[in-house]
Amino acid sequence: ETGVTQSPTHLIKTRGQQVTLRCSSQSGHNTVSWYQQALGQGPQFIFQYYREEENGRGNFPPRFSGLQFPNYSSELNVNALELDDSALYLCASTSLGTSRKRNEQFFGPGTRLTVL
Amino acid sequence: GQSLEQPSEVTAVEGAIVQINCTYQTSGFYGLSWYQQHDGGAPTFLSYNALDGLEETGRFSSFLSRSDSYGYLLLQELQMKDSASYFCAVTRRGNSGGYQKVTFGTGTKLQVIP
Repeated sequence: ETGVTQSPTHLIKTRGQQVTLRCSSQSGHNTVSWYQQALGQGPQFIFQYYREEENGRGNFPPRFSGLQFPNYSSELNVNALELDDSALYLCASTSLGTSRKRNEQFFGPGTRLTVL
Repeated sequence: GQSLEQPSEVTAVEGAIVQINCTYQTSGFYGLSWYQQHDGGAPTFLSYNALDGLEETGRFSSFLSRSDSYGYLLLQELQMKDSASYFCAVTRRGNSGGYQKVTFGTGTKLQVIP
């Protein structure tokens, strides 16, 4: 158990719809990253939030957006869903500035999104 | 650009030793991490190397050579439960202050057989 939770576990949407995925980070972790993992692939970085501000983004279009809240929770929003958005979405929290295992990310169990 | 390469599949016998290699190409390199992911599960952190050399944690060891842009994960005394996918991941400097971007490889599926 990493102490990171995500909801929902599974979700089915149709093309063109919008979806919001949620993540609750470990207490004290000031950084959350979101990843998209297609079947048989490694996690692809979507963006990172640090102290409630986006401070890094991967190669994903603007219809992927997010929020981070003061209570260590965060959201990933995806507008105008496309079939290729079907994947496992993972959030990972960490605490930048922790000296020893600074780059240890704690992953949640993920949300499996299916777009029909 | 940046890239990571690791073998797609490895098979090894229970009790044996296996090495999973990872080569990378990136700018602003900070370090190399390894994650384990069982089918249907989330990635779990195994190790992180920022400096050259070997880091040992129980049955798992990880090695980094920054000059060769190369690292490996070594698993000893293999157990059936070690069957999983293993990802190397590069941490590099992002575009803004305080931001570190982590890029994952495509993963190596390890099958441990009796």
